[in-house]
Amino acid sequence: DTAVSQTPKYLVTQMGNDKSIKCEQNLGHDTMYWYKQDSKKFLKIMFSYNNKELIINETVPNRFSPKSPDKAHLNLHINSLELGDSAVYFCASSQRSSPLHFGNGTRLTVT
Amino acid sequence: AQSVTQLDSQVPVFEEAPVELRCNYSSSVSVYLFWYVQYPNQGLQLLLKYLSGSTLVESINGFEAEFNKSQTSFHLRKPSVHISDTAEYFCAVSYNFNKFYFGSGTKLNVKP
Repeated sequence: DTAVSQTPKYLVTQMGNDKSIKCEQNLGHDTMYWYKQDSKKFLKIMFSYNNKELIINETVPNRFSPKSPDKAHLNLHINSLELGDSAVYFCASSQRSSPLHFGNGTRLTVT
Repeated sequence: AQSVTQLDSQVPVFEEAPVELRCNYSSSVSVYLFWYVQYPNQGLQLLLKYLSGSTLVESINGFEAEFNKSQTSFHLRKPSVHISDTAEYFCAVSYNFNKFYFGSGTKLNVKP
């Protein structure tokens, strides 16, 4: 009964490839997020969706494209992967007046 | 603009000793404050939160944090740490529950 689940947990790929990370939450939350955690553990918000509508789009290369087919799912597609994309990507969800609930992360390694 | 500063990147401490992890924020409006804990290879888990009311908030595992508006701080404390408290701790703020800003994290290393 995992609240926020991400797949895959680990992703190793070569430069130039395209990959996707999937996220699902069963908490009934309206808002979902993607965060990037770099090697120094710094967390940076990338995107936020509320009821399938994009509400936060930080300065992220347009190689990153989020997609929300419904309010329980938020996927992240990355085109033309670069070495600097290596990081841990966290999905999270929240509801009005509630804190963030995080998934366990996807460790992306680009070689 | 909002920002969160965690002054200590690492805090080594012996088991059963007290600890304080510092967090300061800057914001021109009222904020909600949070502490998250991240164990190795896991996601972040909410430790405690301040939304309103009493400025001292407590978690179920002995941590507490005090909101100090005049000093714009939300320091995390525990009177006696355990080996299992070894983890990375993140302070976060939000003013509307749409966007959450995180500090750079403090690695708490509890030694036997």
